[in-house]
This record gives sequence, structure tokens and C-alpha cells, in this order.
Amino acid sequence: DQQVKQNSPSLSVQEGRISILNCDYTNSMFDYFLWYKKYPAEGPTFLISISSIKDKNEDGRFTVFLNKSAKHLSLHIVPSQPGDSAVYFCAATSQGGSEKLVFGKGTKLTVNP
Amino acid sequence: ETGVTQTPRHLVMGMTNKKSLKCEQHLGHNAMYWYKQSAKKPLELMFVYNFKEQTENNSVPSRFSPECPNSSHLFLHLHTLQPEDSALYLCASSPRRGAGEQYFGPGTRLTVT
Repeated sequence: DQQVKQNSPSLSVQEGRISILNCDYTNSMFDYFLWYKKYPAEGPTFLISISSIKDKNEDGRFTVFLNKSAKHLSLHIVPSQPGDSAVYFCAATSQGGSEKLVFGKGTKLTVNP
Repeated sequence: ETGVTQTPRHLVMGMTNKKSLKCEQHLGHNAMYWYKQSAKKPLELMFVYNFKEQTENNSVPSRFSPECPNSSHLFLHLHTLQPEDSALYLCASSPRRGAGEQYFGPGTRLTVT
């Protein structure tokens, strides 16, 4: 049973617009969430994270929102740029528990010029 | 070299071969990980080492044998693999086990024929 779900395998957005990538989780023990970006032929690169004590974390064009009651998080990229085209993975962990990172399947974002 | 490096980047091996994957991290981290990424599946954690000691074996078949001689190096020894073991194998490191952010290498694309 998948504990971290990214239900959209792909997303296409116009340059300059907002990209919203979604992630749902089922394990209520998760208390730390991360987003990774992966280009072809490269390993995933850490992008941004959020602790369960917060509901928003912002870093430049990237903002992650956490809705604990809905067990949902989202990554907003604004404005989107063609260089943002990549696969985005959501990951979750329980820092007081197993401490393993559990990944979603990823969403492929394409930003069109 | 900086970050996390993996060699080889591509490997084709027969089912009776023995080969090894190598990972090296230049980040001064104390925890290292092996992940497997198969098509259309999330990253699956295989092994965790913390200060050279194996702390996690995620029910991985014995045909995969990890080795961690020091905190900077991690190997994955492969023998009598099956075609379904064909996947991208990713190495990662973090300052310590349980630190949320992990830094990934570029991966080894393994094909078992």
C-alpha cells in the first residue's frame, strides 16, 4: 500500500504561470516532508522541505504548503520556467519513528516556453 | 569530485555474472543509502548504513550484498541477478541517519540479460 501518493503522473504549464504539484499521504506518523527534483540522467536533488509544525515554507519561487488534517501537501512554483521541467518527487518521513524516507512515484512537469 | 558519485553509470550483466556498484560521497556524511528505482514505481529503500554499520535491510534478496568499508564509500555487490532486477540504483548520503535531506548520486542504470 502506497503511503505517499502523487496522483498526477504529468503536468504541463506555460512559462510564467504557476505550477502546482500535489501529494497525499496516509501515514499520520509522518512529520517531515520533502520535495526532490530529478532531471534525466541525474539523481534526485533536494528542493524544499517542511516540518509538520508549519503549514507553509517558502524559498524563492518555491513554496510548499502542508494541510495536516487533509494529509495533503503541495508544491507551488511561480513563475514557472522552462528549466523547471523535471520529475518532482514528494517524500515523507517520521523523524521520531522509522526515519525512512518514503517517496511518491513522481510527477513529470513540463514548462512550455 | 564533489557530492555523491556512482560508478559505473551503466551496467549490462548476465544472470550468472558477478559485478559491483560503487558509491562515494565527498560531503563528510555519516549515513549512506542504497535505493532502487524501477519503472513506474517509487524509489524503494534497500539498505541503510550509519557510521559504517548496517541499520536497515528492507527485505532485500541475498543476491544483493552491500558493503560499507568507511563512511565515504558504499558498495553493492551483485550476483545471480534476475531480469526483474533491472532498474536504476541510486546511492544517497545524509549527515546522519534520520536527517531528512539526503543527497543523491546520479545512479547506475542496470540491465540484467
